[in-house]
Amino acid sequence: GAVVSQHPSRVICKSGTSVKIECRSLDFQATTMFWYRQFPKQSLMLMATSNEGSKATYEQGVEKDKFLINHASLTLSTLTVTSAHPEDSSFYICSATLGTQYFGPGTRLLVL
Amino acid sequence: GENVEQHPSTLSVQEGDSAVIKCTYSDSASNYFPWYKQELGKRPQLIIDIRSNVGEKKDQRIAVTLNKTAKHFSLHITETQPEDSAVYFCAASKNFGNEKLTFGTGTRLTIIP
Repeated sequence: GAVVSQHPSRVICKSGTSVKIECRSLDFQATTMFWYRQFPKQSLMLMATSNEGSKATYEQGVEKDKFLINHASLTLSTLTVTSAHPEDSSFYICSATLGTQYFGPGTRLLVL
Repeated sequence: GENVEQHPSTLSVQEGDSAVIKCTYSDSASNYFPWYKQELGKRPQLIIDIRSNVGEKKDQRIAVTLNKTAKHFSLHITETQPEDSAVYFCAASKNFGNEKLTFGTGTRLTIIP
């Protein structure tokens, strides 16, 4: 089956620093990947759609300059949280599409 | 945009009984409806999905029904087991899953032994 990996699985950083999260489709090519954010006991909220070779499409209310997305290849998309603050602490999950969406294992970000 | 509502938010069921979770969607252009199971701290796992050209789909103890006219779909779990305890999310998408998913608010299912 389709496998999606994410790295790192957990990260703790100081307020004001930037954090990069990688999302990889391991056994298939994905022209489109999605980035979701999930706060405790809440649903998954789409942040942006990442398209290989073009600019990401951000959902309303998501700051594109704060959440930088790069989809440089058909198997890799990265999300960089710039100048992270405590309110950015959340569970970030990516997905890649192959007929349906396959989710990565998620990255838990804690900003101190 | 699409809006997906999900009920109930919590559900407790005696082991062996059935559980039903219901969702409604707003965009008639949506044509793909997956259901995900998420355990604490883990990724959502696809358990069953249905496309708009089908009214019902079953996989062992799990079934999904879709009413396009009413714009609602339901998850049915029969003969529930303790390992079914988790949070379940419904979702809706266009283009048969190749476009973004809009998720419901989730249902925390607890199976009582």
